[in-house]
Amino acid sequence: LAKTTQPISMDSYEGQEVNITCSHNNIATNDYITWYQQFPSQGPRFIIQGYKTKVTNEVASLFIPADRKSSTLSLPRVSLSDTAVYYCLVGDVRDDKIIFGKGTRLHILP
Amino acid sequence: GAVVSQHPSRVICKSGTSVKIECRSLDFQATTMFWYRQFPKKSLMLMATSNEGSKATYEQGVEKDKFLINHASLTLSTLTVTSAHPEDSSFYICSARDLAGGPSYNEQFFGPGTRLTVL
Repeated sequence: LAKTTQPISMDSYEGQEVNITCSHNNIATNDYITWYQQFPSQGPRFIIQGYKTKVTNEVASLFIPADRKSSTLSLPRVSLSDTAVYYCLVGDVRDDKIIFGKGTRLHILP
Repeated sequence: GAVVSQHPSRVICKSGTSVKIECRSLDFQATTMFWYRQFPKKSLMLMATSNEGSKATYEQGVEKDKFLINHASLTLSTLTVTSAHPEDSSFYICSARDLAGGPSYNEQFFGPGTRLTVL
């Protein structure tokens, strides 16, 4: 399982675009990059997953450069309800288990 | 998406008693479920992998005799905290992966968590 590094915390304002970058220098060929979101006192929720280039869904976009040593989760026009902890995970999809890193605590201000 | 439930959502017990937490996959089957614990302001820590029909696999440092796991069916795993003590107070979360797969690789569905308080 590749080690990930992401900012411990971030603040932003409602309506802004938020970008959270995750470093994973030792990512392996079979590894995918997955992001989860966790609200206080709830279980995590899958947000987005990618292997390379750009992935977009109704919630977020994920940008992955060609070397795949980092990735950026982009949340467009955030609202107060986006206040949560965001976890970047890197691993082989054949692995069953998920090991969580420290995550990024995002605080959206009015 | 697939739904995982946990019961109870909150439990308070006296020191020395045992507490059972249930994790159910409501609309899918899961041969493997996972149990995590989370302390305030901390990340999730994987405790064990629950395997349907066989013994659970525990992570290093997790006492298997204290945290009993049973996975008797494809939709139910239980975690029993035996002889609970105040230091076992935590947020316990389970997860499961849909056997049928989905659009994303290895996506796991998490339960809402169980808050355990041991007095």
